[in-house]
Amino acid sequence: EVQLVESGGGLVQPGGSLRLSCAARGFIFSGYWMTWVRQAPGKGLEWVANIKQDGSEKYYVDSVKGRFTISRDNAKNSLYLQMDSLRAEDTAVYYCARVINQYDTADYWGQGTPVTVSS
Amino acid sequence: EIVLTQSPATLSLSPGERATLSCRASQSIGSYLVWYQQKPGQAPRLLIYDTSYRATGIPARFSGSGSGTDFTLTISSLEPEDFAVYYCQQRKTFGQGTRLEIK
Repeated sequence: EVQLVESGGGLVQPGGSLRLSCAARGFIFSGYWMTWVRQAPGKGLEWVANIKQDGSEKYYVDSVKGRFTISRDNAKNSLYLQMDSLRAEDTAVYYCARVINQYDTADYWGQGTPVTVSS
Repeated sequence: EIVLTQSPATLSLSPGERATLSCRASQSIGSYLVWYQQKPGQAPRLLIYDTSYRATGIPARFSGSGSGTDFTLTISSLEPEDFAVYYCQQRKTFGQGTRLEIK
């Protein structure tokens, strides 16, 4: 059974940092692109970042470029999102998801981890 | 940058009725549209990919159609568990969602 379990969310002050993790089970993690998608309270879905199977390609939404870094450790079946210089507008539930094609279709999602940026 | 506009924002229907949800792209996107369902407090669930292909385990009452700029998600006969928010997606862009509520 495919499982994605996020962790690392929490309350952080503006300007602070957090590192989110996503543990993958039940599939060959190294064979898939992976993605982070976020959802601000009461709002819709927003794609944040993608990473290729071997980590050689990474893409970010403009609003997080230079502040967030997506990475992965295929030996540990884990995906990460390092978030620096956090802003109030980064407050959201962050989901990791498995991407199954070149059109960014995400077939399995984690349960999400909440991030709150507030003083 | 492609913009996806979903309509209506809210759709009020009764169980057993047919639901038709629309997603319009600001420019042609071929046949590469995805639909997700999200219930309160839950992660999104993949319903339809490549415009019309149902994901694993998705009931046949869900169907997708369209091409170019106009796409439709149809639920042929609403079940109680279908009342949720539905999002369309094309690559890294999501629509704003349609809330399907019980009338």
